[in-house]
Amino acid sequence: SQTIHQWPATLVQPVGSPLSLECTVEGTSNPNLYWYRQAAGRGLQLLFYSVGIGQISSEVPQNLSASRPQDRQFILSSKKLLLSDSGFYLCAWSGTGYYGYTFGSGTRLTVV
Amino acid sequence: QKEVEQNSGPLSVPEGAIASLNCTYSDRGSQSFFWYRQYSGKSPELIMSIYSNGDKEDGRFTAQLNKASQYVSLLIRDSQPSDSATYLCAVNENTGFQKLVFGTGTRLLVSP
Repeated sequence: SQTIHQWPATLVQPVGSPLSLECTVEGTSNPNLYWYRQAAGRGLQLLFYSVGIGQISSEVPQNLSASRPQDRQFILSSKKLLLSDSGFYLCAWSGTGYYGYTFGSGTRLTVV
Repeated sequence: QKEVEQNSGPLSVPEGAIASLNCTYSDRGSQSFFWYRQYSGKSPELIMSIYSNGDKEDGRFTAQLNKASQYVSLLIRDSQPSDSATYLCAVNENTGFQKLVFGTGTRLLVSP
């Protein structure tokens, strides 16, 4: 069966520090991968999605970036965090077809 | 901008009652629709999917779709306190690629 791993679970970072969040999927090949952010009391905002290695689409201009160095690995990065980057970051995967996403357990990021 | 609208709630129902959650969407070409349950502090979990007009039942859950009215609903029968959570409606954009647009969610409270 397919599983998705996301870490760390929580992170407290100072303003201006770098960020790296990692997500890996097991049990499937060539998944579609997504990064979402959920700010406190708000909906899910799609940040990036990827249909293959090295293929990244950005939905919202901001100081975040994403990379997909391997088929089942998706990384979210920032060179300098802002206070507004605080939130709940969720990685998700989907297969071909339209059967919905499976989310990872999320990373709660607090920028101080 | 494709939109998915939900009443934020909270929707309060007594244990054993039927909870009715509603969602409207703007993209008339959307073909697949999903309901996710999100417990406080946790990631969303897919509970129902529906692709054609009418009703789809799975245990205590029934999803209803009316494409002409651009309306999706979720009924929870015999509501339990453990059903207390935020329910997110998600609609796949009609782009030939699976990319979900989420509503902001309805908070459901089931009282014993």
